[in-house]
Amino acid sequence: NAGVTQTPKFQVLKTGQSMTLQCAQDMNHEYMSWYRQDPGMGLRLIHYSVGAGITDQGEVPNGYNVSRSTTEDFPLRLLSAAPSQTSVYFCASRPTAFTEAFFGQGTRLTVV
Amino acid sequence: AQTVTQSQPEMSVQEAETVTLSCTYDTSESNYYLFWYKQPPSRQMILVIRQEAYKQQNATENRFSVNFQKAAKSFSLKISDSQLGDTAMYFCAFDSIQGAQKLVFGQGTRLTINP
Repeated sequence: NAGVTQTPKFQVLKTGQSMTLQCAQDMNHEYMSWYRQDPGMGLRLIHYSVGAGITDQGEVPNGYNVSRSTTEDFPLRLLSAAPSQTSVYFCASRPTAFTEAFFGQGTRLTVV
Repeated sequence: AQTVTQSQPEMSVQEAETVTLSCTYDTSESNYYLFWYKQPPSRQMILVIRQEAYKQQNATENRFSVNFQKAAKSFSLKISDSQLGDTAMYFCAFDSIQGAQKLVFGQGTRLTINP
């Protein structure tokens, strides 16, 4: 049972580079989200989706893009990496609102 | 916008003691859900307990229980007979329909259980 799979687990980028963090779930969940975790700030919502073709912004969306072309996949794109985007990124999925969220293992991203 | 506040950045107790982690939230809604998640050093996020706002009874899961005070907008987590494996970051989270079904997290409390 794979659950939520995030790749890569670690990444170092140079300022200005772009990249895509991958997230895939095999539980047929409609809801998927991206969070970033920074010390003292908890998990902050970047973007989320309540179904294929539907996405919306969270609390800290600037500098990030998402798309949801299938139920299974929800990639997060960093358009032009900045040191302020150094963080641990988590993808989560859940069947509907009010249910348990299942998280990937996280991606530790460093922008130099 | 809904906000969740955890006022204790760090806590430390001895093994077998009872510890209570605090969480307060701000909302004007009457129907919502609250969660506690645990993040051990492995970084994996694990659901500890869930509470439905319209239920008066406090949720319990083995050694974990909550004290849900709806009027005070307070949702504390009590861990009884604490174990070394309880060492982790603990996050309180809020979920509601009017909140556009976004799961909103607090800042987290780092709990250390000492032998």
